Amino acid sequence: AQSVTQPDIHITVSEGASLELRCNYSYGATPYLFWYVQSPGQGLQLLLKYFSGDTLVQGIKGFEAEFKRSQSSFNLRKPSVHWSDAAEYFCAVGFTGGGNKLTFGTGTQLKVEL
Amino acid sequence: GAVVSQHPSWVICKSGTSVKIECRSLDFQATTMFWYRQFPKQSLMLMATSNEGSKATYEQGVEKDKFLINHASLTLSTLTVTSAHPEDSSFYICSARDHLGASNQPQHFGDGTRLSIL
Repeated sequence: AQSVTQPDIHITVSEGASLELRCNYSYGATPYLFWYVQSPGQGLQLLLKYFSGDTLVQGIKGFEAEFKRSQSSFNLRKPSVHWSDAAEYFCAVGFTGGGNKLTFGTGTQLKVEL
Repeated sequence: GAVVSQHPSWVICKSGTSVKIECRSLDFQATTMFWYRQFPKQSLMLMATSNEGSKATYEQGVEKDKFLINHASLTLSTLTVTSAHPEDSSFYICSARDHLGASNQPQHFGDGTRLSIL
């Protein structure tokens, strides 16, 4: 069965510092991958997605992610974090033939220190 | 674009009451919508896939008679929690995918409904 792992439950960074959130997946087929962000008490907003092609994808709010097939990873990065980036981040994976369903990781809570 | 509206955002009701939550795609049509449940500080758990014009597909362990799903049009799906009890208290989130998109197109999420059963 497919699975998604976000190893870091909590991460704290200083404002202006760089950020990397880890995501690893377990799938037999080539997946399609997403990163979502959730502010407290709200739904999820799509940050970026990877389907095929260039393995480095750019998203909104200055985020990017790199798909590495050899490592089964899709890590999210941002070169300089802003205080408003504090939120919960979810990695999600789907695959063709999966009925459009997504499997979500357990999430990483990002705290930004001023 | 790709806005999903979920209503109500917060509901408090007595045990035994049935509660209906609406999920609307505002600027696109959605053949398929999804209903999730999220416990505090946890990830999203898929409850069911809502298919326009047909029966919903429930995930294992989800009671279909407890959580009634209706997807009567391409822009509206409803989740009714029947005879709700305190253990049904949770954050419920819906999502929708544009029916014109390929199967790998992203899901767009509503803002969620906080359900509290007293």
